[in-house]
Amino acid sequence: AQKVTQAQTEISVVEKEDVTLDCVYETRDTTYYLFWYKQPPSGELVFLIRRNSFDEQNEISGRYSWNFQKSTSSFNFTITASQVVDSAVYFCALSERDYGGSQGNLIFGKGTKLSVKP
Amino acid sequence: DTGVSQDPRHKITKRGQNVTFRCDPISEHNRLYWYRQTLGQGPEFLTYFQNEAQLEKSRLLSDRFSAERPKGSFSTLEIQRTEQGDSAMYLCASSALAGAADTQYFGPGTRLTVL
Repeated sequence: AQKVTQAQTEISVVEKEDVTLDCVYETRDTTYYLFWYKQPPSGELVFLIRRNSFDEQNEISGRYSWNFQKSTSSFNFTITASQVVDSAVYFCALSERDYGGSQGNLIFGKGTKLSVKP
Repeated sequence: DTGVSQDPRHKITKRGQNVTFRCDPISEHNRLYWYRQTLGQGPEFLTYFQNEAQLEKSRLLSDRFSAERPKGSFSTLEIQRTEQGDSAMYLCASSALAGAADTQYFGPGTRLTVL
Protein backbone atom coordinates (compact mmCIF):
# COMPACT_ATOMS: atom_id res chain seq x y z
CA ALA A 1 0.00 0.00 0.00
CA GLN A 2 1.13 3.54 -0.61
CA LYS A 3 2.16 5.51 2.43
CA VAL A 4 4.03 8.69 3.28
CA THR A 5 5.68 9.14 6.65
CA GLN A 6 6.84 12.44 8.05
CA ALA A 7 8.27 11.46 11.39
CA GLN A 8 8.93 15.00 12.59
CA THR A 9 5.70 16.45 13.90
CA GLU A 10 7.12 19.83 14.90
CA ILE A 11 10.46 21.54 14.44
CA SER A 12 11.51 24.84 15.95
CA VAL A 13 14.59 26.73 14.78
CA VAL A 14 16.04 30.18 15.12
CA GLU A 15 16.21 32.39 12.05
CA LYS A 16 19.19 31.73 9.75
CA GLU A 17 19.55 28.13 10.89
CA ASP A 18 19.37 25.38 8.27
CA VAL A 19 16.60 22.83 8.71
CA THR A 20 15.83 19.50 7.04
CA LEU A 21 12.36 18.02 6.85
CA ASP A 22 12.27 14.27 6.41
CA CYS A 23 9.93 12.28 4.17
CA VAL A 24 9.87 8.51 3.69
CA TYR A 25 7.46 6.85 1.30
CA GLU A 26 6.21 3.37 0.42
CA THR A 27 4.91 2.33 -2.97
CA ARG A 28 4.69 -0.78 -5.10
CA ASP A 29 4.73 1.11 -8.36
CA THR A 30 7.90 1.71 -10.36
CA THR A 31 6.59 5.00 -11.73
CA TYR A 32 5.45 7.53 -9.19
CA TYR A 33 5.69 11.20 -8.32
CA LEU A 34 6.71 12.96 -5.16
CA PHE A 35 5.68 16.43 -4.07
CA TRP A 36 6.22 18.96 -1.35
CA TYR A 37 3.54 21.48 -0.43
CA LYS A 38 3.63 24.35 2.07
CA GLN A 39 0.58 25.27 4.15
CA PRO A 40 1.00 28.66 5.83
CA PRO A 41 -1.34 29.76 8.63
CA SER A 42 -3.75 31.10 6.00
CA GLY A 43 -4.48 27.47 5.11
CA GLU A 44 -3.92 27.32 1.36
CA LEU A 45 -1.63 24.56 0.13
CA VAL A 46 1.18 25.98 -1.97
CA PHE A 47 3.01 23.73 -4.42
CA LEU A 48 6.79 23.69 -4.00
CA ILE A 49 8.22 20.86 -6.08
CA ARG A 50 7.39 17.74 -8.07
CA ARG A 51 9.77 14.87 -8.71
CA ASN A 52 9.25 11.73 -10.79
CA SER A 53 10.70 8.40 -9.80
CA PHE A 54 13.14 8.30 -12.71
CA ASP A 55 14.84 11.54 -11.82
CA GLU A 56 17.08 11.22 -8.80
CA GLN A 57 18.94 14.44 -9.35
CA ASN A 58 18.85 16.73 -6.37
CA GLU A 59 17.29 20.11 -6.96
CA ILE A 60 18.02 23.53 -5.57
CA SER A 61 15.75 26.52 -5.79
CA GLY A 62 17.04 29.53 -3.92
CA ARG A 63 17.17 28.61 -0.24
CA TYR A 64 15.28 25.37 -0.86
CA SER A 65 16.85 22.06 -1.82
CA TRP A 66 15.53 18.55 -2.17
CA ASN A 67 17.37 15.25 -1.80
CA PHE A 68 15.67 12.28 -3.48
CA GLN A 69 17.13 8.87 -2.66
CA LYS A 70 15.32 5.94 -4.19
CA SER A 71 17.49 3.42 -2.33
CA THR A 72 16.11 4.61 1.00
CA SER A 73 12.69 5.74 -0.32
CA SER A 74 13.29 9.21 0.99
CA PHE A 75 12.62 12.68 -0.37
CA ASN A 76 13.98 15.18 2.13
CA PHE A 77 13.60 18.94 2.01
CA THR A 78 16.19 21.40 3.31
CA ILE A 79 15.71 25.10 3.93
CA THR A 80 18.98 26.99 4.16
CA ALA A 81 19.21 30.15 6.26
CA SER A 82 15.61 29.86 7.43
CA GLN A 83 13.42 32.95 7.74
CA VAL A 84 10.36 33.71 9.83
CA VAL A 85 8.24 33.60 6.67
CA ASP A 86 9.16 29.93 6.29
CA SER A 87 6.99 29.13 9.31
CA ALA A 88 4.28 26.79 8.06
CA VAL A 89 3.23 23.17 7.90
CA TYR A 90 5.05 21.29 5.16
CA PHE A 91 3.53 18.23 3.52
CA CYS A 92 5.22 15.55 1.51
CA ALA A 93 2.94 13.69 -0.92
CA LEU A 94 3.08 10.69 -3.24
CA SER A 95 1.14 10.01 -6.39
CA GLU A 96 1.06 6.89 -8.50
CA ARG A 97 -0.15 6.42 -12.02
CA ASP A 98 -3.84 5.87 -12.42
CA TYR A 99 -5.50 3.48 -14.87
CA GLY A 100 -4.85 5.87 -17.74
CA GLY A 101 -1.16 6.24 -17.01
CA SER A 102 -1.49 9.76 -15.67
CA GLN A 103 -1.02 10.97 -12.15
CA GLY A 104 -3.70 9.83 -9.72
CA ASN A 105 -4.70 11.27 -6.39
CA LEU A 106 -2.15 12.47 -3.85
CA ILE A 107 -1.34 10.59 -0.65
CA PHE A 108 -0.10 13.00 1.97
CA GLY A 109 2.01 12.59 5.07
CA LYS A 110 0.78 14.11 8.32
CA GLY A 111 2.96 17.16 7.85
CA THR A 112 5.77 18.81 9.77
CA LYS A 113 5.06 22.10 11.50
CA LEU A 114 8.07 24.38 11.18
CA SER A 115 8.40 27.37 13.48
CA VAL A 116 11.16 29.82 12.72
CA LYS A 117 11.79 32.25 15.55
CA PRO A 118 13.46 35.63 15.06
CA ASP B 1 -4.40 33.17 -14.76
CA THR B 2 -6.56 33.01 -11.63
CA GLY B 3 -6.12 30.18 -9.20
CA VAL B 4 -8.59 27.64 -7.85
CA SER B 5 -11.45 29.29 -6.00
CA GLN B 6 -13.81 27.81 -3.45
CA ASP B 7 -17.05 29.07 -2.01
CA PRO B 8 -17.95 29.53 0.76
CA ARG B 9 -14.73 29.85 2.74
CA HIS B 10 -16.47 29.05 5.99
CA LYS B 11 -19.70 27.23 6.74
CA ILE B 12 -21.30 26.61 10.11
CA THR B 13 -24.27 24.30 10.16
CA LYS B 14 -26.31 22.26 12.57
CA ARG B 15 -26.16 18.51 12.64
CA GLY B 16 -28.58 16.97 10.20
CA GLN B 17 -28.56 19.85 7.73
CA ASN B 18 -27.37 19.55 4.14
CA VAL B 19 -24.48 21.66 2.86
CA THR B 20 -23.07 22.28 -0.60
CA PHE B 21 -19.63 23.60 -1.52
CA ARG B 22 -18.47 24.90 -4.86
CA CYS B 23 -15.07 24.74 -6.52
CA ASP B 24 -13.98 26.62 -9.64
CA PRO B 25 -10.79 25.14 -11.09
CA ILE B 26 -8.06 26.92 -12.98
CA SER B 27 -9.32 27.67 -16.46
CA GLU B 28 -8.87 24.74 -18.87
CA HIS B 29 -7.75 22.34 -16.17
CA ASN B 30 -9.65 19.18 -16.93
CA ARG B 31 -8.92 17.30 -13.71
CA LEU B 32 -10.56 18.32 -10.46
CA TYR B 33 -9.96 16.71 -7.06
CA TRP B 34 -11.66 16.94 -3.66
CA TYR B 35 -9.79 16.31 -0.42
CA ARG B 36 -10.71 16.56 3.26
CA GLN B 37 -8.31 17.75 5.93
CA THR B 38 -8.90 17.43 9.65
CA LEU B 39 -6.89 19.18 12.34
CA GLY B 40 -3.30 18.00 12.54
CA GLN B 41 -3.60 15.68 9.56
CA GLY B 42 -2.65 15.79 5.92
CA PRO B 43 -5.35 16.09 3.28
CA GLU B 44 -7.18 12.85 2.44
CA PHE B 45 -8.48 12.11 -1.04
CA LEU B 46 -12.24 12.00 -1.54
CA THR B 47 -12.92 11.92 -5.28
CA TYR B 48 -11.78 13.25 -8.62
CA PHE B 49 -13.14 14.16 -12.05
CA GLN B 50 -11.71 14.21 -15.49
CA ASN B 51 -13.88 16.68 -17.35
CA GLU B 52 -17.42 15.74 -16.26
CA ALA B 53 -16.66 12.09 -15.49
CA GLN B 54 -16.17 11.08 -11.86
CA LEU B 55 -13.31 8.60 -12.13
CA GLU B 56 -12.62 7.54 -8.59
CA LYS B 57 -14.17 7.73 -5.15
CA SER B 58 -12.47 7.06 -1.86
CA ARG B 59 -13.99 4.80 0.77
CA LEU B 60 -14.16 7.97 2.87
CA LEU B 61 -16.93 9.18 0.60
CA SER B 62 -19.96 7.74 2.33
CA ASP B 63 -23.37 7.69 0.67
CA ARG B 64 -24.14 11.01 2.37
CA PHE B 65 -21.56 12.66 0.12
CA SER B 66 -22.10 13.39 -3.53
CA ALA B 67 -20.03 15.34 -6.01
CA GLU B 68 -20.79 16.60 -9.47
CA ARG B 69 -18.99 18.44 -12.21
CA PRO B 70 -21.58 19.33 -14.83
CA LYS B 71 -20.13 20.39 -18.17
CA GLY B 72 -16.63 19.74 -16.89
CA SER B 73 -16.19 23.19 -15.38
CA PHE B 74 -16.97 23.95 -11.72
CA SER B 75 -17.72 21.20 -9.24
CA THR B 76 -20.01 20.90 -6.23
CA LEU B 77 -19.63 18.70 -3.18
CA GLU B 78 -22.79 18.07 -1.18
CA ILE B 79 -22.99 16.53 2.26
CA GLN B 80 -26.42 15.38 3.37
CA ARG B 81 -27.51 14.95 6.98
CA THR B 82 -24.26 16.39 8.30
CA GLU B 83 -22.63 14.85 11.37
CA GLN B 84 -20.15 16.39 13.78
CA GLY B 85 -17.48 14.11 12.33
CA ASP B 86 -17.86 15.92 9.00
CA SER B 87 -16.26 19.04 10.52
CA ALA B 88 -13.10 19.58 8.50
CA MET B 89 -11.48 21.68 5.80
CA TYR B 90 -12.64 20.64 2.34
CA LEU B 91 -9.99 21.30 -0.28
CA CYS B 92 -10.34 21.37 -4.02
CA ALA B 93 -7.46 21.04 -6.46
CA SER B 94 -7.17 21.07 -10.22
CA SER B 95 -4.60 19.93 -12.73
CA ALA B 96 -4.12 19.96 -16.47
CA LEU B 97 -4.01 16.50 -17.96
CA ALA B 98 -0.75 16.98 -19.81
CA GLY B 99 0.93 13.63 -19.89
CA ALA B 100 2.00 11.80 -16.81
CA ALA B 101 3.30 14.62 -14.68
CA ASP B 102 0.46 16.86 -13.59
CA THR B 103 0.75 19.20 -10.65
CA GLN B 104 -2.33 19.70 -8.52
CA TYR B 105 -2.98 23.30 -7.51
CA PHE B 106 -5.14 23.82 -4.47
CA GLY B 107 -7.81 26.32 -3.58
CA PRO B 108 -8.13 28.07 -0.21
CA GLY B 109 -10.56 25.47 1.12
CA THR B 110 -13.98 25.55 2.76
CA ARG B 111 -13.94 25.11 6.51
CA LEU B 112 -17.03 23.27 7.70
CA THR B 113 -18.13 23.31 11.32
CA VAL B 114 -21.02 21.07 12.29
CA LEU B 115 -22.58 21.97 15.63
